[in-house]
Amino acid sequence: DAGVIQSPRHEVTEMGQEVTLRCKPISGHNSLFWYRQTMMRGLELLIYFNNNVPIDDSGMPEDRFSAKMPNASFSTLKIQPSEPRDSAVYFCASSLLEMNTEAFFGQGTRLTVV
Amino acid sequence: QKEVEQNSGPLSVPEGAIASLNCTYSDRVSQSFFWYRQYSGKSPELIMSIYSNGDKEDGRFTAQLNKASQYVSLLIRDSQPSDSATYLCAVNMDAGNNRKLIWGLGTSLAVNP
Repeated sequence: DAGVIQSPRHEVTEMGQEVTLRCKPISGHNSLFWYRQTMMRGLELLIYFNNNVPIDDSGMPEDRFSAKMPNASFSTLKIQPSEPRDSAVYFCASSLLEMNTEAFFGQGTRLTVV
Repeated sequence: QKEVEQNSGPLSVPEGAIASLNCTYSDRVSQSFFWYRQYSGKSPELIMSIYSNGDKEDGRFTAQLNKASQYVSLLIRDSQPSDSATYLCAVNMDAGNNRKLIWGLGTSLAVNP
C-alpha cells in the first residue's frame, strides 16, 4: 500500500478563494482524521470520520471549513473563503480503529493564503 | 481544558547518551498514550504506544507510564544524530461524547555527533 496520499502537497492561494484538500486513506482503515499543524498551536484535530461518517467535528474552526467523505477511499477538506490565518500544514491520517490504534499520516498539504 | 504538556526544548544530548523526553497530561482517566517522531518538514510517525503502567521497551526506545502521577516519558538509549527530530506526545482523552487524541506541542531533540 502506498500509505495515506494527500494532494496537493503545496497550495498558495489568494484570500477569499476556495481551497480543496484531498486525501486517500490506507485501504481497509476505518477511521480518517484531518489535522492542522501550526507552530503556535501544534497539531489540532479538525474532524474525524469513522466508516465514512463524521463523528466529531468540534475542531472545525468556523463555518468556512467543511469536510466530506463520500466513500471509504476519499475525503476532502474545503475552506471557503480562505483567509491568511488559515495558512498551516494540513495532515490527513487514517487508522484501523478510531483513537486507540496507530494513526498513519499523509505527507501533508502546506497551505499559504496571501 | 484538557491538556498535554511537553517541554519545547531544544533538548541537546551528545551521541551515545540517553535522551529523556517527558509529557504530562490532565485527564486522569486517559487510557492510551502515544509517542510520535516528526522530522522537519515531514509528517509524524509512531514510535511507541503504551496503555499500562510501567515500562515498554522497543529496541533503543523505552516508554514509561505512570497514571497516578499523570506522566508518560520516552527514553532513547544510545542516541544517534538520526534521532534529531521533534517528539510529539499524544493522549487519548475524554471530550464530551467522544474521545479524541490531544497532542502536545512537541519537544525538539538535537543529538550532537
